Parts: sequence; structure tokens; C-alpha cells
Amino acid sequence: QSVLTQPPSASGTPGQRVTISCSGSSSNIGRNTVNWYQQLPGTAPKLLMYSDDQRPSGVPDRFSGSKSGTSASLAISGLQSEDEADYYCAAWDDSLNGVVFGGGTKLTVL
Amino acid sequence: EEQLLESGGGLVQPGGSLRLSCAASGSTFSIYGMSWVRQAPGKGLEWVSSITNSGGTIYYADSVRGRFTISRDNSKNTLYLQMNSLRAEDTAIYYCAKYGRKCSGVSCYSNTNWFDPWGQGTLVTVSS
Repeated sequence: QSVLTQPPSASGTPGQRVTISCSGSSSNIGRNTVNWYQQLPGTAPKLLMYSDDQRPSGVPDRFSGSKSGTSASLAISGLQSEDEADYYCAAWDDSLNGVVFGGGTKLTVL
Repeated sequence: EEQLLESGGGLVQPGGSLRLSCAASGSTFSIYGMSWVRQAPGKGLEWVSSITNSGGTIYYADSVRGRFTISRDNSKNTLYLQMNSLRAEDTAIYYCAKYGRKCSGVSCYSNTNWFDPWGQGTLVTVSS
């Protein structure tokens, strides 16, 4: 059972907007920044969003991040087939003194 | 762009040991913290351990503390993970990852940092 809670799956049709939630607590998301990672099938994870809402260079602006209290969200607008992947949220946990990940959300583009 | 290349994975019996290595290209290895993250077959990501740029501060997940040791050799641009007393549940792909924000002085800002880039991973299988 993961410290951060994500829905196990999400789906949408091309062009739609999809949101993936990540719920934590005051010891992780409530105090520290949230990062998101994208893992395409059969590949290593890749940074998608850092410091709650910052996009690394090369990541399309269709991807956006937000945080409020002890929850964070990743939004993908204009969904494309190449967005089909697993998405993980992560944050530092002050109580555990380490990084905690969400269980991952498998995004399917219908 | 910096690249990370893991090696050292393989098949090991329960109770055995293995040492993983992660070689970094580029010239900035010594000013960034580094981490190991693993992924069991068909499962999600699990953070294993992190080390600051100087090696002065180290963090471990409870699941590996006392069995795994993270270290680094800045002269060789290489990160290590010594794994002892291996168990079946340690079977996973092990990724090394670099902190996205560089360290400053004694702080690597672990609580607000991120992992970028990641290596391609090395598979560790613990089985008799």
C-alpha cells in the first residue's frame, strides 16, 4: 500500500482532458513539493513535472500540475495516443525521512 | 545531456549479495545528490536510497535499511548500491537517478528535489 494515493487507472479519448489525482498527508505533500513521472511501456521513468507545477524543457504545455493542501493533480489536455503510459506522483516524507511514491495510474487513450 | 548507466544486476540466491553500479557521463556528478529507485515486476516505483553529493548524508527506505549500503566515488563518476541478505521481495529493476537540483554547501534540498535523469535500469532476480 503506497503512502501517496492515486487512482489505478484513467482513460480518455483523443483530444479530451484527463486529470490524475494524488492524495497524501501533512508529512509529505502538505509540506514538500510534488513531482510527477511518466513511464512509457517498457522504458525507464522520465520526469514530467517538478516542484508541483514546473515543466521540464521538452514537456508539452498540454501537461500541467497543481497542488492544494495535501493533494496534487496532473492534468493532460488535448490527449494524444502517445500519452498512454503509467504516471507516478512522488514527494519527500518528513516522517519517513525519504521519498514516497504513489501507486501509479495507468492512462489509456481509447 | 547527462546519461546514467547501471550495471551489476543478475540472478542471486536468497541470502546472497550483489553490488550495483551506476556510471554517470558529464562533469557535474560531484555536485548532485543521487538515488536508487526500484520496480518489482508488474508493480509501481519504490524509492530505495539517496546520498548527497559529498556522501555525508544518506537516507534509506525501511525495507532495505541494515541490508543495503549506498555509496559513491566522485573521482569515478560512479554510484554504488551494495545489497546484502537479499530476499525474494528484492527482485526488481533497479534504477539510479540524479537529483534535478544541484547541491549547495551541505544541503541537497532532498525535501524539494526531484529525479532527473534516470538510468535504463538493471534487473536483480533473487531466487533459488
